[in-house]
This record gives sequence, C-alpha cells and structure tokens, in this order.
Amino acid sequence: KQEVTQIPAALSVPEGENLVLNCSFTDSAIYNLQWFRQDPGKGLTSLLLIQSSQREQTSGRLNASLDKSSGRSTLYIAASQPGDSATYLCAVEGSGGGADGLTFGKGTHLIIQP
Amino acid sequence: SQTIHQWPATLVQPVGSPLSLECTVEGTSNPNLYWYRQAAGRGLQLLFYSVGIGQISSEVPQNLSASRPQDRQFILSSKKLLLSDSGFYLCAWTGTGGEKLFFGSGTQLSVL
Repeated sequence: KQEVTQIPAALSVPEGENLVLNCSFTDSAIYNLQWFRQDPGKGLTSLLLIQSSQREQTSGRLNASLDKSSGRSTLYIAASQPGDSATYLCAVEGSGGGADGLTFGKGTHLIIQP
Repeated sequence: SQTIHQWPATLVQPVGSPLSLECTVEGTSNPNLYWYRQAAGRGLQLLFYSVGIGQISSEVPQNLSASRPQDRQFILSSKKLLLSDSGFYLCAWTGTGGEKLFFGSGTQLSVL
C-alpha cells in the first residue's frame, strides 16, 4: 500500500526566503505526482503535476522535482511571500491504470512571516 | 472552462440524522469523480470514486454511501450519521488521462 510522507509538518520562515518542502512515497510505481495548496477551510488547488517520465515542473516561483527511483519529490518556493502561507499537500497516483484516486500526504503547514 | 460545485459549505447535524451532500461538474463529460474526507491530523482519505454513471467503488467500509445518477453529479449519503462522520468532505474530478485533480470548495460537517 502506497504511503506518502511530508516533512516538515510545519514551517515558519521570514518573507523573502527560498524554501523547500519535501515529500516521499514508498512505492515508486507511480503514474504522476501532484502538489496542492489548501487555504484554511477551503478546497485544494492543484499547483503542479509531474508525470512519472518527467523530472520537474515549474510555474512562476514554484518548482517541483521528482526522483521516482528514490521515491522523493521536492517543492521549491522562491522569494516567499505572506500570500504563500497555506498548507501544501503532495499526492501520488498509482500506475495501476485505474481511476482509484490519489494517495495524499498529511501536508506541510507553511507560514511566511511579513 | 470546467467548474465544480459542492454544497452545502457548512452543515451541523445531530447523530442519527440522514445526510446528503451533492457535487456537480460543468464543462466536461464523463469525468472521474471522487469523494474525500479530511479529518484533523489525518490527511485526505479517499471514500468513493466513480468512472461512470451508476459505477461506484468504495475504498473503506463506513457508514456512508455514494451514488452517481447523472454523468456529472455525485452524491454522498448516509442514513444515520455517527459522531465519527464529522470532518471536511471534498468532491473532486479528473479527466481520464492522468490529469490534474480539481477539487470543490468542501463541506464542513459537524455531527453533534
């Protein structure tokens, strides 16, 4: 059974810093990996999706990398801003070919101090 | 463009009462539909998924059921709510090709 772990569980940094969020998964046979953002009491917003054949994806100040063989992904946030404060979740989709959803980590709660 | 609607946003129900949460998707056809639950400190748990009308797969045994009466409508139900059913329920959809997962705004359910 796939398990996804995110480290750290919480992170607080001053505005302007670059930071890295980590995600690891136990079964490397994945179809893709997604990073989501969740604001308090809200649904999830997909930030980046990396297919299993890809190594990284970039969107603005965000860069996500994937090392499938080692079961790891990182989300890099450059020049952090207070508006980046949220919970960031990592999720993987298995390669079984079914539509049986994603396995999520518990998230990293990020606070950017003004 | 595609949109997903989920309601209600907040619900407070007594133990033993029934439940019906509805989710609809616009702007796409034959989506894969999902119900997740997010409990404090436990992350997102997949409850049900559906690849088509009338096709429901359950991930965990529980006090809940799901139905898909129309292509873009997904309903989460319970005949008698338990305290342990409290949580944040999220509906989501994706296409059939390993695409991004799009979430609704969620329903905060409190069973008292």
